[in-house]
This record gives sequence, C-alpha cells and structure tokens, in this order.
Amino acid sequence: GAVVSQHPSWVICKSGTSVKIECRSLDFQATTMFWYRQFPKQSLMLMATSNEGSKATYEQGVEKDKFLINHASLTLSTLTVTSAHPEDSSFYICSARTITYEQYFGPGTRLTVT
Amino acid sequence: DAKTTQPTSMDCAEGRAANLPCNHSTISGNEYVYWYRQIHSQGPQYIIHGLKNNETNEMASLIITEDRKSSTLILPHATLRDTAVYYCIVRLLSGGSYIPTFGRGTSLIVHP
Repeated sequence: GAVVSQHPSWVICKSGTSVKIECRSLDFQATTMFWYRQFPKQSLMLMATSNEGSKATYEQGVEKDKFLINHASLTLSTLTVTSAHPEDSSFYICSARTITYEQYFGPGTRLTVT
Repeated sequence: DAKTTQPTSMDCAEGRAANLPCNHSTISGNEYVYWYRQIHSQGPQYIIHGLKNNETNEMASLIITEDRKSSTLILPHATLRDTAVYYCIVRLLSGGSYIPTFGRGTSLIVHP
C-alpha cells in the first residue's frame, strides 16, 4: 500500500518552544491530509483536516493559533506546535488521503514537552 | 458517519482464530465498513473493508451480516504480532465531506 512518513519520530522540547512535525506521502499525491492526537490509552482524536493550498479546518476545541498547519504541496503537510506546554505531550499521527479516497497513516511522532 | 460499538478487550490463543465483532446498527446504505489496527506506539494500519459482501485478503476476512448492522473481523490464525487495538469504522467510500473518526476500538491480546 501507499506509504506515509513522519519526521521526526520522536522529539523532546522545552516548555515555551515550538516544534514542527512533517508528514509526507512518499508515493502518491494527497490533496487532503489529517492530523490526529492520541493520549495514552485513548483513541485517536482528529485535530484538523488539511487541504493542499488552503487553510486547514480545525475540530472544535483545537486552537488554530497554537497548532499551525501548512499543506503547501501535494506530498507535504506540517504541524507546528507553538509555545509548547507539558500538556501538549502526546502522540501525533498524520494521515493522507489518495484521490481514490483511500486513507493511509503515518507512523506517528511522540512529542514530550519538559 | 454511523457510530460503531466494539468490545473493549478480547484475548485469543496463538494459532487460533480471532473473531472481533462490531455493531453499526445505524449504517446507511452507501457506507462501507473499514477495519484498521494500531500496534502500540505506531500509526494505524489498514486491514480490510467491505460494503455488503464478505471480503478476504492476506490479512483477514470480513463478514458482514445481511442487514449490515454488524460485522466480524476474522484473523484466521492469530500470532503474537497481531496483539493490537482494532478499530471498526463505517464511512463513505468517497466524498470530500467524509471525516475519519475513531472510536475506542477493541484491544486484542494474543497469548502463547
């Protein structure tokens, strides 16, 4: 199946700093990408839907000024966690959708804010 | 999208078949049943999907009841590596307004 990569796979940052997570579709073009957050022992929670070339649509309760999403090309979307706090520590997963509406997930990024 | 109900956890002996049920009583006629699994600290992995006919691939079989209100994912010969959380999702096959959401899933533990 199609491959979606994320970078970095894990990151530790200090409180107050910003962290950028990249999501790439390696062998297909993705007009739509999704960003999820997963806390321990919980399910994936959709944060936002990102369409190439347009502004992301955020789910209720997700701060768009804190979680900046850029989907500048058909193969790359980035999530920037600004002014990170310990409560932002989580597992962030991206997903890319093909033109035939199949959805593939990245391996996830573990963010730890100290 | 229709909501789904799955048991919180199940266990299975290695080498035996694992049968994971899912209820989706409010599924609409054009919604598909999808199954994903998530191994600890990894992203979800697609397993199989179907509309109304039973489906089989190299990973699993999907049995959908005639009224489509429930389905069962079957791992015919479970291995320790099949220990994971399994998510049943009902969704449209296409359409820009589809938003993929996950429930709690079933935590399957395969034991020796």
